[in-house]
Amino acid sequence: QSAVTQPASVSGSPGQSITISCTGSSSDVGGDKYVSWYQQHAGKVPKLIIYEVSDRPSGVSSRFSGSKSGNTASLTISGLQAEDEADYYCSSFTSSHHYVFGSGTKVTVL
Amino acid sequence: QVQLVQSGAEVKKPGASVKVSCKASGYTFTKFHIHWLRQAPGQGLEWMGIINPSAGITNWAPKFKGRITMTRDTSTSTAYMELTSLTSEDTAVYYCARERGEMGATELCFDYWGQGTLVTVSS
Repeated sequence: QSAVTQPASVSGSPGQSITISCTGSSSDVGGDKYVSWYQQHAGKVPKLIIYEVSDRPSGVSSRFSGSKSGNTASLTISGLQAEDEADYYCSSFTSSHHYVFGSGTKVTVL
Repeated sequence: QVQLVQSGAEVKKPGASVKVSCKASGYTFTKFHIHWLRQAPGQGLEWMGIINPSAGITNWAPKFKGRITMTRDTSTSTAYMELTSLTSEDTAVYYCARERGEMGATELCFDYWGQGTLVTVSS
């Protein structure tokens, strides 16, 4: 069972903005800048969309943004599109030099 | 272009071992860490471990201690993950993934992933 929690599901209408939270502890999410987010469409390989809390890899839409406050990181998707319907996972490097993933959030576009 | 190509699906009996390979191309294999992760059916992602392909140094999640071995062959740019004493709870898609950023300047996340290898443990 994951020690980092995310809401099981979040939904929104096209064009809206949604935010997914990722709550851990001072040993992981709150400990440093190494929080990343992954998008996984059904049956597909995960894709990196945010790294180091708020940076986007080249080619990732600017509609995806990340932030962090204390032990909670957040992923915001603005201008929600049908193609954004997927599972989203946060991940954090930990004080034990391991990695932990959040429990995952299913995003539904209404 | 960076590619990680994994070996094919496996079916194993409880108590057996499985070895999954991950062949890298499109970059210098020894300059980037390789991670192993897995995803059980309908479940989330789980980090298993990491290997430094240059030095062969490994680190793994505590739950896999004593059961996981990660190795590499630099002559073929291939990383391997062996998991022993399999149970039905090890049924999952296993992924290798490259760590973003060269060693010494890494960003501690996973930028390129293999296609996944389904390992099914069943009697």
